[in-house]
Amino acid sequence: EAQVTQNPRYLITVTGKKLTVTCSQNMNHEYMSWYRQDPGLGLRQIYYSMNVEVTDKGDVPEGYKVSRKEKRNFPLILESPSPNQTSLYFCASSPTRGLLNEQFFGPGTRLTVL
Amino acid sequence: ILNVEQSPQSLHVQEGDSTNFTCSFPSSNFYALHWYRWETAKSPEALFVMTLNGDEKKKGRISATLNTKEGYSYLYIKGSQPEDSATYLCALAGAGSYQLTFGKGTKLSVIP
Repeated sequence: EAQVTQNPRYLITVTGKKLTVTCSQNMNHEYMSWYRQDPGLGLRQIYYSMNVEVTDKGDVPEGYKVSRKEKRNFPLILESPSPNQTSLYFCASSPTRGLLNEQFFGPGTRLTVL
Repeated sequence: ILNVEQSPQSLHVQEGDSTNFTCSFPSSNFYALHWYRWETAKSPEALFVMTLNGDEKKKGRISATLNTKEGYSYLYIKGSQPEDSATYLCALAGAGSYQLTFGKGTKLSVIP
């Protein structure tokens, strides 16, 4: 089944404890992206990647890192999480980098930072 | 950061009513316009990707139009059903950019 998977789905952690949220797609998509969803603010793009080893900042990159060592995986790393990073996170992928194709979203990761 | 506005923020309609909502964006910086449907506790799912001025797309009872010259897109739902209850998101891909900027969404509730 073609899909985008994220793990974990739910995570409660404490300030400063490094964490990684994994994202994987099995559709051979070039473009992958991370978004966060906060009440009243809509989906905001954190980072995106147009292909292996090519990543770029979105609108809200502060406090996050990403890597794209393989085409299928695009992990989101929080080196030192803070409470303002409590949010619902979505990973998405798209066949090509030109954004003329729809994005396929993962199931979401709800993160709480205490 | 591109400004993508959606209106209304929310609306309630009776089952069987037709409804529409608006997505506004800067007309000077357009490459593609996406519409997504997002049900509670699920992930956003794509409805349409539109690129041409005057374009009209349809999927079942849902259709969308695009006016790139004046910077807006309309989403129409004909004969709303309770299962249409969701938040509808539009997103703009700007010219020369590889980013997608989302509006805050229109939350539709269809009352049986």
